[in-house]
Amino acid sequence: AQSVTQPDIHITVSEGASLELRCNYSYGATPYLFWYVQSPGQGLQLLLKYFSGDTLVQGIKGFEAEFKRSQSSFNLRKPSVHWSDAAEYFCAVGGDPYGGSQGNLIFGKGTKLSVKP
Amino acid sequence: GAVVSQHPSWVICKSGTSVKIECRSLDFQATTMFWYRQFPKQSLMLMATSNEGSKATYEQGVEKDKFLINHASLTLSTLTVTSAHPEDSSFYICSATGTGPGYTFGSGTRLTVV
Repeated sequence: AQSVTQPDIHITVSEGASLELRCNYSYGATPYLFWYVQSPGQGLQLLLKYFSGDTLVQGIKGFEAEFKRSQSSFNLRKPSVHWSDAAEYFCAVGGDPYGGSQGNLIFGKGTKLSVKP
Repeated sequence: GAVVSQHPSWVICKSGTSVKIECRSLDFQATTMFWYRQFPKQSLMLMATSNEGSKATYEQGVEKDKFLINHASLTLSTLTVTSAHPEDSSFYICSATGTGPGYTFGSGTRLTVV
């Protein structure tokens, strides 16, 4: 079955501390992986994506993620969290977005990030 | 880059009325449109998939007569919530794939039924 697991429902970190949000996936074909952020009442903003190549991808707002095929993981990291990073983060997996059978994205349940001053 | 414009951003309607949500691909042809729903504090769940010129395919548990999807052109897909009820209040978001890069999302529509 195709699925995305974000094991942490809620994480609280202090401002300036490092952050790692976990994401594990199960997907029957070559996975294309995404991290989105959603502020309350807002839409989705793409942080970064992995399609192929270097397994460490850089995104916006200082975020990065590392694809580990052997662990079926795509964890999101940030070295120093800012108060404005408080939001809900979603990991998602899908098939080849340029392929002939582009499908839907499968989302994890999300991790809520709170930032302490 | 590829842009999907979704309107309205938010809408309040009375129970029993219908609401139409539009998603337009602005700079690419959207051969496939996905419609998702997000309940408060939950993840996005796929409601239906529509291919241009074809009937939409609905996920299990989604009422096709309640959530009417039209994808008559390569740049426009609409979701109509018919006879809306308070339990239909939710965040609806579309995603388009096609000639542009895949997985381009609209900004979402927050529907409140009173």
